[in-house]
Amino acid sequence: GQNIDQPTEMTATEGAIVQINCTYQTSGFNGLFWYQQHAGEAPTFLSYNVLDGLEEKGRFSSFLSRSKGYSYLLLKELQMKDSASYLCAVTSGGSYIPTFGRGTSLIVHP
Amino acid sequence: SAVISQKPSRDICQRGTSLTIQCQVDSQVTMMFWYRQQPGQSLTLIATANQGSEATYESGFVIDKFPISRPNLTFSTLTVSNMSPEDSSIYLCSVEYPGTQYEQYFGPGTRLTVT
Repeated sequence: GQNIDQPTEMTATEGAIVQINCTYQTSGFNGLFWYQQHAGEAPTFLSYNVLDGLEEKGRFSSFLSRSKGYSYLLLKELQMKDSASYLCAVTSGGSYIPTFGRGTSLIVHP
Repeated sequence: SAVISQKPSRDICQRGTSLTIQCQVDSQVTMMFWYRQQPGQSLTLIATANQGSEATYESGFVIDKFPISRPNLTFSTLTVSNMSPEDSSIYLCSVEYPGTQYEQYFGPGTRLTVT
């Protein structure tokens, strides 16, 4: 099976930087997704990491270490609209259908 | 990106009844999926909806409880049968577009409350 662990809740200040961590245990790891989900809305795709290292997309960056079973999502210049749940999801084996973690609820305050 | 719609957006149902949720996509896709998201929980895959054949169900989910149809490449339905309060959840369909990096696009979800 797969085990995905991420913090339940985080708070941060507008304009700051926040790092949301995700650790996973799985066999036959393929890749790791990050999704953003605002309350009452559908999840939206942020990133997909397959190789080790940091991938940057504007204010959001995602990092992966396959050997450590570890990823993080880095959000810079936080805005109030970044308040949402951030879901880490892993694909493994012969399947590219992701298994989701419970999500981290990020609250950005002024 | 995909335009995915779901009907109904929400419903309140009595226990013992059934509800059919529809998912419509704006273009043809091979892979369609149905997920459940219970309050405070992660997204859990119910099944993969296969066009022209039976759906593939994940462990813990059975066809009698969650029958799925996939009559063509743009449409699918999920029925929640003989409902109980434990079925209260958000049900989401998602699609994977060919040529994308396996990313999934989700519908807006159907919020189901069973009383």
